[in-house]
Amino acid sequence: DAGVTQSPTHLIKTRGQQVTLRCSPKSGHDTVSWYQQALGQGPQFIFQYYEEEERQRGNFPDRFSGHQFPNYSSELNVNALLLGDSALYLCASSLVRGGDSPLHFGNGTRLTVT
Amino acid sequence: AQKITQTQPGMFVQEKEAVTLDCTYDTSDPSYGLFWYKQPSSGEMIFLIYQGSYDQQNATEGRYSLNFQKARKSANLVISASQLGDSAMYFCAMSTGTYGNNRLAFGKGNQVVVIP
Repeated sequence: DAGVTQSPTHLIKTRGQQVTLRCSPKSGHDTVSWYQQALGQGPQFIFQYYEEEERQRGNFPDRFSGHQFPNYSSELNVNALLLGDSALYLCASSLVRGGDSPLHFGNGTRLTVT
Repeated sequence: AQKITQTQPGMFVQEKEAVTLDCTYDTSDPSYGLFWYKQPSSGEMIFLIYQGSYDQQNATEGRYSLNFQKARKSANLVISASQLGDSAMYFCAMSTGTYGNNRLAFGKGNQVVVIP
């Protein structure tokens, strides 16, 4: 039973560039959420996708966008990268009607912006 | 707004001893869930334990137990019989009825180092 997988594991970009991160949810899950974790901080909710639509969004600018595909996998796109976007980006999956079941997280993509 | 507070400094724990990690929370929603996750240096967030706001008994999962004091709005994690593999960051998180368990608010975490 494959868990949540993310790619790539590490990424280095330059300010102003654009980046795409990818996530495959745990088998059987239909909802994907993205979190940003800055160094020394807890994860911050970016947004959640279900049925290929953004359902909830945290306090992040429009430079952060996403997509969910029919197979439930997801992408996170960040445009016009800033130094402050350097962080660990975590993808989590769940069932939209999962009740008390917890989020399952991937290992994350570590993004460094220079 | 939801808020999770974890203020303990980094902790050193002797192997086989118990450790308690503090977590306080703030929400006006009567229905909420409290979670603890472990994050080793590899980065993955590993689910440990869950407590629902209406649960009458404290949650337990193996060596992990959650000391839930609703009136004090605290949800402390107790790890019994610490092992070297328990060295990690530990995060307390909360969901509320508005968004369900898909959207979590996390604290800043507690660093635990288990020494032999």
